[in-house]
Amino acid sequence: GAGVSQSPRYKVAKRGQDVALRCDPISGHVSLFWYQQALGQGPEFLTYFQNEAQLDKSGLPSDRFFAERPEGSVSTLKIQRTQQEDSAVYLCASSLFHSEQFFGPGTRLTVL
Amino acid sequence: QQPVQSPQAVILREGEDAVINCSSSKALYSVHWYRQKHGEAPVFLMILLKGGEQKGHEKISASFNEKKQQSSLYLTASQLSYSGTYFCGTEIGSGGSNYKLTFGKGTLLTVNP
Repeated sequence: GAGVSQSPRYKVAKRGQDVALRCDPISGHVSLFWYQQALGQGPEFLTYFQNEAQLDKSGLPSDRFFAERPEGSVSTLKIQRTQQEDSAVYLCASSLFHSEQFFGPGTRLTVL
Repeated sequence: QQPVQSPQAVILREGEDAVINCSSSKALYSVHWYRQKHGEAPVFLMILLKGGEQKGHEKISASFNEKKQQSSLYLTASQLSYSGTYFCGTEIGSGGSNYKLTFGKGTLLTVNP
């Protein structure tokens, strides 16, 4: 079956631009997670959804970061006024309730 | 709060064994192990829940020592396909909420012919 998909795979933005990153989870997966992975580091938790409810957004680095999952399936991570320190790979993962997380291929964001 | 993985890197010849360790200063509910190849998504290997269980399939197994808040991943008779970066992700607390995994910095495993 289809896995988690993310788009775009690569995004180059000029400093100050807004970007939107999309995640299509595995069908039927209740839980959806966003992680940020810097070069040479492990994924770092950003936010968590259970269906359409955002239950934890404690990992979002600033109020420039915003995530939504309005219908409980597709999710979008939006970054406003991008800064160079936002450059990273953004990973999305989904899971059935209380089970392993399946990761997407990620979006590599480069802010110039 | 970030778990500590050791070693940071290991180089093996095909057929050799390796152990990767993951330790936490916090009480853990579960430990998740993933392998990530360069430029690809992390791939799930296994979950270990508190209770000190050991899991495995084929030549990859893992253990979880609840008292020491440590987990170890065992790779036996390594294959070239085992190369990649191994991450442990830890879930703290006493109940399973299955979110907010905190990942270690990873262990880079290279298997040479």
